[in-house]
Amino acid sequence: SQQGEEDPQALSIQEGENATMNCSYKTSINNLQWYRQNSGRGLVHLILIRSNEREKHSGRLRVTLDTSKKSSSLLITASRAADTASYFCATEGVNNFNKFYFGSGTKLNVKP
Amino acid sequence: ETGVTQSPTHLIKTRGQQVTLRCSSQSGHNTVSWYQQALGQGPQFIFQYYREEENGRGNFPPRFSGLQFPNYSSELNVNALELDDSALYLCASSFFLDPRNEQFFGPGTRLTVL
Repeated sequence: SQQGEEDPQALSIQEGENATMNCSYKTSINNLQWYRQNSGRGLVHLILIRSNEREKHSGRLRVTLDTSKKSSSLLITASRAADTASYFCATEGVNNFNKFYFGSGTKLNVKP
Repeated sequence: ETGVTQSPTHLIKTRGQQVTLRCSSQSGHNTVSWYQQALGQGPQFIFQYYREEENGRGNFPPRFSGLQFPNYSSELNVNALELDDSALYLCASSFFLDPRNEQFFGPGTRLTVL
């Protein structure tokens, strides 16, 4: 399985602090995406990083990808209470175009 | 909010019954993927439909089947329901071969099997 695994499973921080979540996966990928999910509802796409990229930024989000270690990290800077959600990484395998395999997620709680 | 809609929102069935879930894709999208998300877990890929045919399948038994219609909407059918089928079912629409690889998820259908 190429399923990603997130670490930690749960993270609790104070508003204003930075939150870092990690994702590891098993097989070669075309790209890796991060999603947010509030209260067990639909997933919201946050950012995509391709296998030939090492770092991407979007607003308060910073994603890194290390294909040699098959790992990625998501950094949320200056967190807000509204960032409280579950965060998932999803990988698209080299031979699985447009099919994504999700990890088990990190539950982030940002305390006001 | 994405333009992807799913119905019904919630559903309660008993073991052995059959269920049909529906998904309307976002305008301009021609591909629909279905995912099962058990409580506390990440979504698991069930299958994908493109041009009204199954285009890839995850590790799910044949009692999970689907359809895609000419307007690109889709159905997920599950026969002989089991307790472990209780989950949130998500559909995601996309445009096949979109280099941006964007998928847009619907709000999901929560299925409870008693």
